[in-house]
Amino acid sequence: QQPVQSPQAVILREGEDAVINCSSSKALYSVHWYRQKHGEAPVFLMILLKGGEQKGHEKISASFNEKKQQSSLYLTASQLSYSGTYFCGTERLAGAGSYQLTFGKGTKLSVIP
Amino acid sequence: DAGVIQSPRHEVTEMGQEVTLRCKPISGHNSLFWYRQTMMRGLELLIYFNNNVPIDDSGMPEDRFSAKMPNASFSTLKIQPSEPRDSAVYFCASSPNHGAETQYFGPGTRLLVL
Repeated sequence: QQPVQSPQAVILREGEDAVINCSSSKALYSVHWYRQKHGEAPVFLMILLKGGEQKGHEKISASFNEKKQQSSLYLTASQLSYSGTYFCGTERLAGAGSYQLTFGKGTKLSVIP
Repeated sequence: DAGVIQSPRHEVTEMGQEVTLRCKPISGHNSLFWYRQTMMRGLELLIYFNNNVPIDDSGMPEDRFSAKMPNASFSTLKIQPSEPRDSAVYFCASSPNHGAETQYFGPGTRLLVL
């Protein structure tokens, strides 16, 4: 089942902060975050495996609330290079040793000067 | 490393024709994924392999789609016969293993079925 991302789109000025949320109706094994620039392939940002885990990547960090089946991506002091579409992927154990990764519809982030 | 390699990068074909997309994963990666991306449906997992064995093909839309991985360095996704609604960008990705692993995406194949 596809996770729900919010907001669908956001426009920021350079230096502003943003939060992108991702929620699932199913119990999660892990949450993945990817960024995709126009006309390019998605690029990995981070994976969160444990409930409550927070990870950081430069000024981009994320948290994972396993109980609420939610994750949030935090972008601090945004730069022009942060522009793109951000996807969360929620991963479940699907039985018989398989893992099911389902991506949300994405959040389009535009950073303007 | 060259990364995940996909071919062709662009494909234009007519309805009813067979289309074959190719993927070479990163050397040493055990898992390979095929995705389809459209504006309407977003990024959808079609099928994934682990150690050349199909693990989850629940995302394959219908019998017109088939995927194979004859060895660790090559996979194909075939559509036969193709239809206009198959027009999309098809990505192949690989990861060291399945389950909470980084996926490295190829550049994608942009397919247009007329």
